[in-house]
Amino acid sequence: NAGVTQTPKFQVLKTGQSMTLQCAQDMNHEYMSWYRQDPGMGLRLIHYSVGAGITDQGEVPNGYNVSRSTTEDFPLRLLSAAPSQTSVYFCASIPKGSGGTDTQYFGPGTRLTVL
Amino acid sequence: AQSVTQLDSHVSVSEGTPVLLRCNYSSSYSPSLFWYVQHPNKGLQLLLKYTSAATLVKGINGFEAEFKKSETSFHLTKPSAHMSDAAEYFCVVSDLNTGTASKLTFGTGTRLQVTL
Repeated sequence: NAGVTQTPKFQVLKTGQSMTLQCAQDMNHEYMSWYRQDPGMGLRLIHYSVGAGITDQGEVPNGYNVSRSTTEDFPLRLLSAAPSQTSVYFCASIPKGSGGTDTQYFGPGTRLTVL
Repeated sequence: AQSVTQLDSHVSVSEGTPVLLRCNYSSSYSPSLFWYVQHPNKGLQLLLKYTSAATLVKGINGFEAEFKKSETSFHLTKPSAHMSDAAEYFCVVSDLNTGTASKLTFGTGTRLQVTL
């Protein structure tokens, strides 16, 4: 298994540009999440999904959209990038039926800079 | 609502001496608690987790943590630090009764420095 994969690893955008961060997992995990990591703030939840076709907002959803058309993929879309979205983005997944008590498997991260 | 407080943003120890990284939590229900480690420019890796079984939890690389409900604490310890332990450590809480399993709350992190 490749686990949780994220692309790209690095990205530089100009203010106002749009882009999609890709996340995929091959472990048939039910739950998937997107976090952003900023210095001194830990990881903050952006959006999450409890299964294909079901998504919900986390702590900091503004400026981001998600969809979950398949179990494997959970892309994060920035519609109009802003400098405040400069961050490191992590995707994570949890196995089915864990009820929040199981380990989250994290991808390697995407480092995004918005100029 | 749940929250996590990591009491030290930075801890420095000498190689071979004990490590203590402190974490206090707040949760309305029975929490699950985790410690994750992040090495520079890497993703997060699970060290250990508590899910209402034994209160003393052993993890990888010689780390362990003790769940103390009366003190609402979940401190991470290791008897003898190694240079490879230098990293950032995150304490995480997951509330079993949120109904939204993917919602974890992360602490702000503790950077562990290990010196010769």
